[in-house]
Amino acid sequence: GESVGLHLPTLSVQEGDNSIINCAYSNSASDYFIWYKQESGKGPQFIIDIRSNMDKRQGQRVTVLLNKTVKHLSLQIAATQPGDSAVYFCAENPQAAGNKLTFGGGTRVLVKP
Amino acid sequence: DTGVSQDPRHKITKRGQNVTFRCDPISEHNRLYWYRQTLGQGPEFLTYFQNEAQLEKSRLLSDRFSAERPKGSFSTLEIQRTEQGDSAMYLCASSLSGRRGAGELFFGEGSRLTVL
Repeated sequence: GESVGLHLPTLSVQEGDNSIINCAYSNSASDYFIWYKQESGKGPQFIIDIRSNMDKRQGQRVTVLLNKTVKHLSLQIAATQPGDSAVYFCAENPQAAGNKLTFGGGTRVLVKP
Repeated sequence: DTGVSQDPRHKITKRGQNVTFRCDPISEHNRLYWYRQTLGQGPEFLTYFQNEAQLEKSRLLSDRFSAERPKGSFSTLEIQRTEQGDSAMYLCASSLSGRRGAGELFFGEGSRLTVL
């Protein structure tokens, strides 16, 4: 079972289906965003980034969408695989924050075979 | 392995003891960051170096915490008089300067601290 204090939103998805993970950010001055994947016991791993002059960016099986009007970021994973099971974090870099990232709370993705 | 490495991976200590963590960044990276992560939360920024200069510290970094990067390569994070609330994963990350802003941070596997 889950440990006390671990209250991550969880997305359960069937293997092969598409996953959509959402993130709301609060700082309208943020101009750079990154999605990270974190597997149990490991450090966060870069997936994809996007700058505020874009609203969509595609990578290998992943797409990030940015809606600056409502301050919303999403990560789409195509054809989800068991290896995609992890916690996903969005991170933002507000212009005034210099050279550091501010992370959101994370979403756990569980891929069912 | 040329990624970010951290040592030790796990540390169990008694309250009141001092602990030190080491981070070796990717060799060509001049920026180095320390973050703290508690269970179920995203990483929280602690401090950041550009070369050997410590440019920013979070309010989370109490006076019991100190970080150094003496030669602009590896860094150490020391926690003095540890408290149970210090129990967390301490993550190190590095990046290349160049573009404005943080750019992509490359994280190590973390050092997990448990204070009894």
